[in-house]
Amino acid sequence: QTVVTQEPSFSVSPGGTVTLTCGLRSGSVSTNYYPSWYQQTPGQAPRPLIYSTNTRSSGVPDRFSGSILGNKAALTITGAQADDESDYYCVLYMGSGFWVFGGGTKLTVL
Amino acid sequence: QLQLQESGPGLVKPSETLSLTCSVSGGSISNNRSYWGWIRQPPGRGLEWIGSIYYSGTTFYNPSLKSRVTISVDTSKNQFSLKLTSVTAAETSIYYCARHSRLPYYMDVWGKGTTVTVSS
Repeated sequence: QTVVTQEPSFSVSPGGTVTLTCGLRSGSVSTNYYPSWYQQTPGQAPRPLIYSTNTRSSGVPDRFSGSILGNKAALTITGAQADDESDYYCVLYMGSGFWVFGGGTKLTVL
Repeated sequence: QLQLQESGPGLVKPSETLSLTCSVSGGSISNNRSYWGWIRQPPGRGLEWIGSIYYSGTTFYNPSLKSRVTISVDTSKNQFSLKLTSVTAAETSIYYCARHSRLPYYMDVWGKGTTVTVSS
């Protein structure tokens, strides 16, 4: 069974920078998994932020960026704002039509 | 603008079958650049991929649910559907449908979600 790991929670100060990561319990995340990131606020459907590792979805501010750091995918928020307080999920495309979600990271801005 | 809308019963009894439909508007489901899929989220918990379907009918299921899940597509109605058999209370969740883009691979359009409660 494929397990995608994310930090359960993280906090950042307003204006600060935070990097959330997305790993594999067994193995390394590479661009071949087309890592994507989603933001979810309470009561809302997830919103795509980043796809194909580092491409921002339409309308996403450039303070959100994606990358590969070491053996993990990463989502960096530079200049965090209060309304960035959300749950963030990564998704990996495992190939042949199969997808796996990470457990999500609850980001607090305080 | 592509939109997806889930519909179906909000209450299902334990051991029975959950059935949901996702209606696609603003674009054709017969699109070779898309899979069409289902994701769920139990209250206060994370997202889980259930499975997806290509317009041709080829399906892909989460291995942990494969024995109980069926996803089908009706291109004439521009809809796709989910059936999950033998449900338990633990499967009370918000169920989302979403387009899964092919190349690039990501879930680019989501429905608003529908809450399904499993209870007698």
